[in-house]
Parts: sequence; C-alpha cells; structure tokens
Amino acid sequence: AQSVAQPEDQVNVAEGNPLTVKCTYSVSGNPYLFWYVQYPNRGLQFLLKYITGDNLVKGSYGFEAEFNKSQTSFHLKKPSALVSDSALYFCAVRAAHSGNTPLVFGKGTRLSVIA
Amino acid sequence: NAGVMQNPRHLVRRRGQEARLRCSPMKGHSHVYWYRQLPEEGLKFMVYLQKENIIDESGMPKERFSAEFPKEGPSILRIQQVVRGDSAAYFCASSPFREDEQFFGPGTRLTVL
Repeated sequence: AQSVAQPEDQVNVAEGNPLTVKCTYSVSGNPYLFWYVQYPNRGLQFLLKYITGDNLVKGSYGFEAEFNKSQTSFHLKKPSALVSDSALYFCAVRAAHSGNTPLVFGKGTRLSVIA
Repeated sequence: NAGVMQNPRHLVRRRGQEARLRCSPMKGHSHVYWYRQLPEEGLKFMVYLQKENIIDESGMPKERFSAEFPKEGPSILRIQQVVRGDSAAYFCASSPFREDEQFFGPGTRLTVL
C-alpha cells in the first residue's frame, strides 16, 4: 500500500531564512511525487512534481524538492522564505505505472513564516 | 482557460436531506477525482471518474454516496440522507492524463445542521 508521512504538523521559520518541509513515502516500485500548497479557504495549488530524471526538481514560487530514493524522501525547500509562503503544504505519492491507483496525500504541514 | 470550477462553494443541509456537489473540469481534461477534507486533516481520496465511467470508487462510502461524470455536463457527487459527519470540504480535481498532476477546484464546504 502507498503512504506518505509528513512528520511535522507545524514548521515555523523567520522571513529570509531557508525553509524545509519534510516528506517521506512508501510505495511499491518507482514513485510519482507531488507537492501542493493550500491557502485558507482555497483549493490545492500544484507546486512541483517528480516523475523521472533529475533528482532536484524546481517548481513554482521559488520552491524546489529533492528526490532521495535511498531515504524515500521528497523534502520541499526554499532558500529564502517569504511571509506570503505561510500556508498548508501537502506531499502526495502514487506508484509509477500502477494502473488506476489513486494519489495518496500526507496530512499536511502548516508553514508559518514570521516577519 | 478557466480552472476547475465547483459549485456551490458553500452548502448547508439539514440531516436527512440530499447534497449535490458539482464539478466542471478544466477544458480538455477527461479525468476527474473527488476528495474529502476534514478540518486539520489531509485529503482523502473518494472516487476517480473518466467520462461516463467510474474507474475507482474505493474511497467512497458504499451507502448514501454516489458520483457520476456524464458525457455532457459537470461531474456530480451526490450524498443522500446527509448526517453531521458528512460536514467537510469536498474538492474536485481534474487532469488531462492519468499520470499528470491534478488541478484542484476551490472546493465545496458542506455543513450539515
């Protein structure tokens, strides 16, 4: 079975500092990995994905994520946080070439960037 | 190109009534997914549909819940005889291909009194 773990419910970071939001996954075979962001009372917005290729994936709003197969991780990073980055972040996974297996989401990590 | 549209945005029902949630996918997208989000929780997959077909409904309760995606018109998630535990945000997403990222609508917030 597929699963995603986001070990931190809340991450606090000062504006201008680097941020990391952690995600580990479990899946049979190769994974497709995604990060989404949710602002209050809004739907999820796609940030970035890893399908294949370069382990470092660059996405929207200056975010990037690194796929680490040995550690089964896909941590989200940004070199310099903005107050406007404060939101709820979700990691998601599905197995590659898995037929119609649905996307599985983590419980989310609330990022708070303090000015 | 308009994004995924959902209506209504807010829906209030009394226990025992029916709730009908609508989702119009992005133009050119034939894959639709429904998710439920409870407060302070992640998204839980409910059902995956392609035009006129239910592909995977493994996350949908077997009673009272149904979904369709007709050849013409929006996808509909129907909840019959709602109970207080059905109160949640329901999100629809669409994608052009199954492997692609999903684009989400703004959600319908259902409150059952």
